[in-house]
Amino acid sequence: NAGVTQTPKFQVLKTGQSMTLQCAQDMNHNSMYWYRQDPGMGLRLIYYSASEGTTDKGEVPNGYNVSRLNKREFSLRLESAAPSQTSVYFCASTRDRVTGELFFGEGSRLTVL
Amino acid sequence: AQRVTQPEKLLSVFKGAPVELKCNYSYSGSPELFWYVQYSRQRLQLLLRHISRESIKGFTADLNKGETSFHLKKPFAQEEDSAMYYCAPRQRDSSYKLIFGSGTRLLVRP
Repeated sequence: NAGVTQTPKFQVLKTGQSMTLQCAQDMNHNSMYWYRQDPGMGLRLIYYSASEGTTDKGEVPNGYNVSRLNKREFSLRLESAAPSQTSVYFCASTRDRVTGELFFGEGSRLTVL
Repeated sequence: AQRVTQPEKLLSVFKGAPVELKCNYSYSGSPELFWYVQYSRQRLQLLLRHISRESIKGFTADLNKGETSFHLKKPFAQEEDSAMYYCAPRQRDSSYKLIFGSGTRLLVRP
């Protein structure tokens, strides 16, 4: 039972390059989230998708775009990477965003040089 | 502005000592509160939620509305409790977003 799967686990980019982080869940969850984790700052919400076909900004959306491709998949795109986007990125999902717990992926460590 | 504060970045205790990880929140209305935990090399996972009023792995957390706090407590810490702990209120608006505190690293020494 895979749960929430993120790819890639590690990535090094140069400033200005683009990339997409992929996230897929096999739990038939309705809502999906992207967080970034930085030392001393905890997890900050980048974007979320309450249900298939909808996306909304979180606390720190600048420099990112998302796509809820279908119910299973929620991708995060960096169009022009900046060193400030060096972070660990976590995807999460929940069946019920009102009452449910979040299930997290293992994280993707991104370094922008 | 809605905020959650975990004032301690690191809490170090000896095995068998009591533990209290502090969490203070500043929210309009009454948020639903959670504690999430990340053990070394494991995924972030739910530890407990205030609605359940349960004890998980010996941990409890009481919501104190007067002090707007949701501290996590355990009477006798174990080495396997060493982990990163995050307090997370869920907003009770149309977004129902979960906002995480900055986290406290608990280190339980033998």
